[in-house]
Amino acid sequence: GESVGLHLPTLSVQEGDNSIINCAYSNSASDYFIWYKQESGKGPQFIIDIRSNMDKRQGQRVTVLLNKTVKHLSLQIAATQPGDSAVYFCAEPAQAGTALIFGKGTTLSVSS
Amino acid sequence: SAVISQKPSRDICQRGTSLTIQCQVDSQVTMMFWYRQQPGQSLTLIATANQGSEATYESGFVIDKFPISRPNLTFSTLTVSNMSPEDSSIYLCSAFTGDSYNEQFFGPGTRLTVL
Repeated sequence: GESVGLHLPTLSVQEGDNSIINCAYSNSASDYFIWYKQESGKGPQFIIDIRSNMDKRQGQRVTVLLNKTVKHLSLQIAATQPGDSAVYFCAEPAQAGTALIFGKGTTLSVSS
Repeated sequence: SAVISQKPSRDICQRGTSLTIQCQVDSQVTMMFWYRQQPGQSLTLIATANQGSEATYESGFVIDKFPISRPNLTFSTLTVSNMSPEDSSIYLCSAFTGDSYNEQFFGPGTRLTVL
């Protein structure tokens, strides 16, 4: 069945460092992935997405890399800031245009 | 974008009682969903709230336990019935305002504690 998951439950970095958050998926037919950020007491917030016809997509300070060969994607945050402290989830649609299947989440802690 | 509000934001309830959570979107939306997030865990889909018809439940969730209403395109409710401590979770609603996942928004969640 479909599943997404993350390698590490927690990641601690210093302000200004680059952060890399990983996610593995099991369904080779998965064709769309999304990264969400959830701050304490809030709902998840869309960060960036990527389709399977791409290997890389960049946003503001964030880059998502997709390696379909090993079914792995990562979220890179450049110059990490204290405001980036949150739980990060990768997710994919259960079916096209439907609700999402979320991975387990990585808690990013940024110290200044 | 859309602003989604939920009421209540948190509640502490006694075992065996029921709680209804409201989700209000500030614009008409095509699809609405309810998720559960147990402490320190990821989000799990409970059901899709269908406007004008019965909700579509995921495996492990049943209508008798989690009745859902969606009377119009901006509002939905989720009831957690006959609560037990295992129901202690954050309950989140989400909505699509368009066709893309960057147009899916989440409410702030309702933090439920059952004693």
